[in-house]
Amino acid sequence: GENVEQHPSTLSVQEGDSAVIKCTYSDSASNYFPWYKQELGKRPQLIIDIRSNVGEKKDQRIAVTLNKTAKHFSLHITETQPEDSAVYFCAANSGYALNFGKGTSLLVTP
Amino acid sequence: NAGVTQTPKFRVLKTGQSMTLLCAQDMNHEYMYWYRQDPGMGLRLIHYSVGEGTTAKGEVPDGYNVSRLKKQNFLLGLESAAPSQTSVYFCASSFTPWETQYFGPGTRLLVL
Repeated sequence: GENVEQHPSTLSVQEGDSAVIKCTYSDSASNYFPWYKQELGKRPQLIIDIRSNVGEKKDQRIAVTLNKTAKHFSLHITETQPEDSAVYFCAANSGYALNFGKGTSLLVTP
Repeated sequence: NAGVTQTPKFRVLKTGQSMTLLCAQDMNHEYMYWYRQDPGMGLRLIHYSVGEGTTAKGEVPDGYNVSRLKKQNFLLGLESAAPSQTSVYFCASSFTPWETQYFGPGTRLLVL
């Protein structure tokens, strides 16, 4: 199937710093790119998404950028807080489904 | 409004046993999905459905079957469980493939 590569697999930052997670995709027809956050023992939940007709989207401390030419998109979290600690998944649509990256475990230390 | 629910929450099976996982959603979503989540592997799509009465294979369909007899329910069956099927199973649903997928709480399955 179509692949979504996600980096890094683990990321540790100090509270207040920024965190960046990057993803690349292979299906040139992909036009929907959501990001999910999964806290330990919980279900994944959507935190932000972007569609191919825009290059950037921001929601408070979270922003996502998309470069369709290069087939990559990124999640930016500013002013990180301990409650941002979780696993983050990027995804790209392919046909009727989403292909997920393998996840980034983010740890924010006080 | 319960969202997406899954039954059971946890199950232990012996190799060769069968079981059915039930997913139910009350949001009138057309699309429903079954994923498995293993450490370091992300969320891998097993099967999905684009509407009542339809099913389609995902990335890792072998050893699983599904049915969508009613719009609100999506069943995942394991006919002969294997230890490799030990995993956490998530169901999700959405209005379209290009909108938010809402996940259920997950089912933790251990096959001995």
